Amino acid sequence: DARVTQTPRDKVTEMGQEVTMRCQPILGHNTVFWYRQTMKQGLELLAYFRNRAPLDDSGMPKDRFSAEMPDATLATLKIQPSEPRDSAVYFCASGLAGGVGSYNEQFFGPGTRLTVL
Amino acid sequence: AQRVTQPEKLLSVFKGAPVELKCNYSYSGSPELFWYVQYSRQRLQLLLRHISRESIKGFTADLNKGETSFHLKKPFAQEEDSAMYYCALTAFASGTYKYIFGTGTRLKVLA
Repeated sequence: DARVTQTPRDKVTEMGQEVTMRCQPILGHNTVFWYRQTMKQGLELLAYFRNRAPLDDSGMPKDRFSAEMPDATLATLKIQPSEPRDSAVYFCASGLAGGVGSYNEQFFGPGTRLTVL
Repeated sequence: AQRVTQPEKLLSVFKGAPVELKCNYSYSGSPELFWYVQYSRQRLQLLLRHISRESIKGFTADLNKGETSFHLKKPFAQEEDSAMYYCALTAFASGTYKYIFGTGTRLKVLA
């Protein structure tokens, strides 16, 4: 049963520290998404990649956030420096876009709960 | 710009009562619409997609292009339906896909 995995599941850090979150998409999926979930805003798309290339990162604060896909099995989301307002649950999702029978369904990971003190 | 609106943050109903979770969207083209559900301590998962026109766990959703709505309905709510529900839209615009989620509605089904 293929699933998206995320590490760490929980992260508590102090303001100003660097945070790196990792995601392993489902093998064969060509699209990877990063979302942030908060009580106030719900689910916000931060960035997404297609075939490892960034296609849209307009939802991401560029001054402190960065997202990369060093290879097809790993996506990373980095915050440097972190701030208390970054506290949220960060979800990674993967999917298969394009092609016959593709419905753009997204498969979500379990999330990383980030707390910045 | 594309947008998905879920007007209710919280919806409480009694077990056995009908449920309707509202979703409205703004998009000038032909979107693909989805409902995702997140049960307590579980990951988000797809519940329904409009293109399939299926019923899952008793839930149905009909795309109404005239009203730009995709409301989620169930005739008789069950306690296990208590969860967070997100309406989502995928649209191809300006040469790329847009993926937009609503802010979610928390459904509480009371015994």
